[in-house]
Amino acid sequence: GAGVSQSPSNKVTEKGKDVELRCDPISGHTALYWYRQSLGQGLEFLIYFQGNSAPDKSGLPSDRFSAERTGGSVSTLTIQRTQQEDSAVYLCASSLTIGTQYFGPGTRLTVL
Amino acid sequence: DQQVKQNSPSLSVQEGRISILNCDYTNSMFDYFLWYKKYPAEGPTFLISISSIKDKNEDGRFTVFLNKSAKHLSLHIVPSQPGDSAVYFCAASENRDDKIIFGKGTRLHILP
Repeated sequence: GAGVSQSPSNKVTEKGKDVELRCDPISGHTALYWYRQSLGQGLEFLIYFQGNSAPDKSGLPSDRFSAERTGGSVSTLTIQRTQQEDSAVYLCASSLTIGTQYFGPGTRLTVL
Repeated sequence: DQQVKQNSPSLSVQEGRISILNCDYTNSMFDYFLWYKKYPAEGPTFLISISSIKDKNEDGRFTVFLNKSAKHLSLHIVPSQPGDSAVYFCAASENRDDKIIFGKGTRLHILP
């Protein structure tokens, strides 16, 4: 059975470059979430999509971060002009109902 | 300001004994609580949840206790097994808002 998938699994980039991280949620899941986990930190909420509603962007740390969800399925998280403090594992999750979020394996981003 | 706090970054427990992981929260509007388990290089997986109308929920070796007056919940694992070694995240949400707030996690080591 297909779970949540994310690509790439690892991304190394130079400071100042833009990166795109992709999330394929479980088919039929209406809610999609992005989190990041920095070294020694918990899961930091970034953005939440629910159906056709406007996304909850309250967790995005700066305007360099943006995300979109096309066709209610695949989502892309874009980080522009990456900084070293953006280095983290970026996790995507999807859910059908409240509570049980299914997480992808994450993308480890390293900004040199 | 952390709304979900896991004050113990790590915990070591002998195999066969009880593991108790603690979590405190500050937002009195939270009424749904979850525990997730995370192995290295994998996304978190849902473990067990509890609604604020209950004070206990049990699933096999895992039991979650909720003390609303103290804004405290705990996860009990008994008996602890080697495969339980992982990072455990406590999480909470307001019922009408699917945004889930995670704690920083507690790393559980099960000792042989």
